[in-house]
Amino acid sequence: DTGVSQDPRHKITKRGQNVTFRCDPISEHNRLYWYRQTLGQGPEFLTYFQNEAQLEKSRLLSDRFSAERPKGSFSTLEIQRTEQGDSAMYLCASSIMTGPQETQYFGPGTRLLVL
Amino acid sequence: DAKTTQPNSMESNEEEPVHLPCNHSTISGTDYIHWYRQLPSQGPEYVIHGLTSNVNNRMASLAIAEDRKSSTLILHRATLRDAAVYYCILREVNSGGSNYKLTFGKGTLLTVNP
Repeated sequence: DTGVSQDPRHKITKRGQNVTFRCDPISEHNRLYWYRQTLGQGPEFLTYFQNEAQLEKSRLLSDRFSAERPKGSFSTLEIQRTEQGDSAMYLCASSIMTGPQETQYFGPGTRLLVL
Repeated sequence: DAKTTQPNSMESNEEEPVHLPCNHSTISGTDYIHWYRQLPSQGPEYVIHGLTSNVNNRMASLAIAEDRKSSTLILHRATLRDAAVYYCILREVNSGGSNYKLTFGKGTLLTVNP
């Protein structure tokens, strides 16, 4: 079991550029989540997928953000026209729906710095 | 999700027990109590969860008050590797019979002294 992996681990970009992050969940996990964490705060929910369907998006996910999970396996999170306020750790988690209290397994995150 | 209240920080000595409190006075009957922790430079990891009864696993114990308005995560012998931010989270079962997102607060930063 290789766990949840995220790529890249760090990204520095200039304001206005587009960035894309990738998340590879634990194989056979049908749920995949994206969270964002800023310094000193707990992670905040952004969106989640069940298989390839995106079932909920947070208000935090502005129209500059888009997430996909095309074949129900890996997922990408794209931020267009980045702003300095987008600087944060972006965390991916996956789970398998075994009941109402399934455990989420988190990746190490992608740290984004927008200059 | 209902809100939880945790101390901002706590300190412990290595090999001593640690009791991390969490208040959740507005908890509803269907809310489960979950604990996750986040080690430095890592994503959160699951620790334990419970509904009404006390729970034990290899990482920790969860003691739930009889009225369920508070709970305590117990680390029986703290090690330096237990230094982390500990999050107490309430997860409710939605009308569809399942839940999904975790709603994190700021958690408790646990420092373990050698």
